[in-house]
Amino acid sequence: DAGVIQSPRHEVTEMGQEVTLRCKPISGHDYLFWYRQTMMRGLELLIYFNNNVPIDDSGMPEDRFSAKMPNASFSTLKIQPSEPRDSAVYFCASSLGPGQGVGGYTFGSGTRLTVV
Amino acid sequence: GESVGLHLPTLSVQEGDNSIINCAYSNSASDYFIWYKQESGKGPQFIIDIRSNMDKRQGQRVTVLLNKTVKHLSLQIAATQPGDSAVYFCAENRGNQFYFGTGTSLTVIP
Repeated sequence: DAGVIQSPRHEVTEMGQEVTLRCKPISGHDYLFWYRQTMMRGLELLIYFNNNVPIDDSGMPEDRFSAKMPNASFSTLKIQPSEPRDSAVYFCASSLGPGQGVGGYTFGSGTRLTVV
Repeated sequence: GESVGLHLPTLSVQEGDNSIINCAYSNSASDYFIWYKQESGKGPQFIIDIRSNMDKRQGQRVTVLLNKTVKHLSLQIAATQPGDSAVYFCAENRGNQFYFGTGTSLTVIP
């Protein structure tokens, strides 16, 4: 199994531009999570999906952020327009269950976003 | 104004010594806990888990202890190796989510 695959690994963009982060979860995992990690706030849950349906998006910072999961093998996190304070590492994770699954979440390698 | 970042607790140990990393969790209703290891440039990786009906669980070179009375979790690493240098997070499960601690940075001195 290739694990959770995220792309790109690094993204540098100018303020105001649209940014799209991509994630392929582990096949068979019903839950997908988007996290943001910064030195200021640590790991923050942004949104999670169950069977492609968004369940809790209360962590999405504002309307500039949106996430979709059109099918079981693909999800996107979009920021439009991007701002320097969005600079962070964004992780996607997937799991068999909401939290009780053995081993918890499997994380991808993350996308390091820098907005200049 | 001055920005304030998270103050990550740090632990430095000599190679070969045992390491103990501690974590206080917040909610007595949490019933499942995981320790994750995050190496530089990588995502968090599962190390070991424990359910609330247990006090101790052992893996390869790692042991997790759970004290529900004081809501405390610890990770013990035996014979610490340079490859153990990383940030370690505890995570508690409540409902449908895991809640992550701020992490502890472990540095192994060769």
